[in-house]
Amino acid sequence: QQPVQSPQAVILREGEDAVINCSSSKALYSVHWYRQKHGEAPVFLMILLKGGEQKGHEKISASFNEKKQQSSLYLTASQLSYSGTYFCGTEQATDSWGKLQFGAGTQVVVTP
Amino acid sequence: DVKVTQSSRYLVKRTGEKVFLECVQDMDHENMFWYRQDPGLGLRLIYFSYDVKMKEKGDIPEGYSVSREKKERFSLILESASTNQTSMYLCASSSSRPNYGYTFGSGTRLTVV
Repeated sequence: QQPVQSPQAVILREGEDAVINCSSSKALYSVHWYRQKHGEAPVFLMILLKGGEQKGHEKISASFNEKKQQSSLYLTASQLSYSGTYFCGTEQATDSWGKLQFGAGTQVVVTP
Repeated sequence: DVKVTQSSRYLVKRTGEKVFLECVQDMDHENMFWYRQDPGLGLRLIYFSYDVKMKEKGDIPEGYSVSREKKERFSLILESASTNQTSMYLCASSSSRPNYGYTFGSGTRLTVV
């Protein structure tokens, strides 16, 4: 039931771009994205609803393809502050309580 | 600044002990959640609550129970701690209004010896 994230890890130089993917085998109502820095709580970045919308947070944006039950997070012109582990959380279309299933995470390291 | 506060940052308990993990939120959120986080497995849902005295099992409820007597407080109970319950435990809360993100606590790292 947990969504599948890829890649597991990515190393970037400052200014480079990266894409993190999240896919589910279940019909989805929404996809959340969170970032967790080492030793800290995960922090909410954005939510995408079915309808295929795209959102942004700083130079981080995301898309949601509800037909494929897939979401992608785009890190554009990465900054050192983007380092951390990114999690997608998926809310199933059949779920009533807004509970999320989380992927295993993608570790992002941005180097100078 | 809105907060989810977990009572202990680090905890060491012995096998067989009853363990209580406390979580308090100050945002008047209806929904509260307990996850455990393990390397390579991400966050897995243990229990959640959508109202006072209401609780629902998540994906891995075995060996755990919960209590929600007040809206702001959600407790996770390990009835008889075992070494395979050594983990990072994260509490989160969210509004019942649609399309809200979760606010997480800083976590409790529990070690069972």
